[in-house]
Amino acid sequence: GAVVSQHPSWVICKSGTSVKIECRSLDFQATTMFWYRQFPKQSLMLMATSNEGSKATYEQGVEKDKFLINHASLTLSTLTVTSAHPEDSSFYICSAPTGDLSYEQYFGPGTRLTVT
Amino acid sequence: DAKTTQPTSMDCAEGRAANLPCNHSTISGNEYVYWYRQIHSQGPQYIIHGLKNNETNEMASLIITEDRKSSTLILPHATLRDTAVYYCIEVRASYDKVIFGPGTSLSVIP
Repeated sequence: GAVVSQHPSWVICKSGTSVKIECRSLDFQATTMFWYRQFPKQSLMLMATSNEGSKATYEQGVEKDKFLINHASLTLSTLTVTSAHPEDSSFYICSAPTGDLSYEQYFGPGTRLTVT
Repeated sequence: DAKTTQPTSMDCAEGRAANLPCNHSTISGNEYVYWYRQIHSQGPQYIIHGLKNNETNEMASLIITEDRKSSTLILPHATLRDTAVYYCIEVRASYDKVIFGPGTSLSVIP
């Protein structure tokens, strides 16, 4: 079946630094990918829609200058958390629709970000 | 905001069927009902989806009421590995963004 990978699986960084998280579709092309954030004991919150070859679409309340999204190819989207602060510590998950008739979306395994 | 409502939590004895309800009273005619689950600290996993008819696959069965205002996910023989948060979601199209509600936390008890 379709697989979505994320790298790194976990990362620890210091306040003020930037962190890049990669999301890859391994065996299918994804013109659209989605980025979510999940705090402990809460549900997934959609942050933005990543579109290959164009600007990302951000959900209300998500700072686009802080969470930079680049969808440079049909298999790779990146999320960069700029000037990270401890409150950005969270579980970041990406997903991609396969585009076939099943309407399924495949989710990555997630990236645990801890900002110290 | 998510448009579906689910119980916050449920328990199920191992080996028994787990029946997880979902209300989607405002669902549109072209929206599918999707079920995903998330095991602790992992990405969500697709389970099953349906439009009008009941569906079954190797993981679960989905029963949709005739008026499409509610559905039930059935795990026929729950195991400890089925302990997870289960999300019921309305999806219009494959490229439609998925909005998660709080889901149902299912605990399978030995």
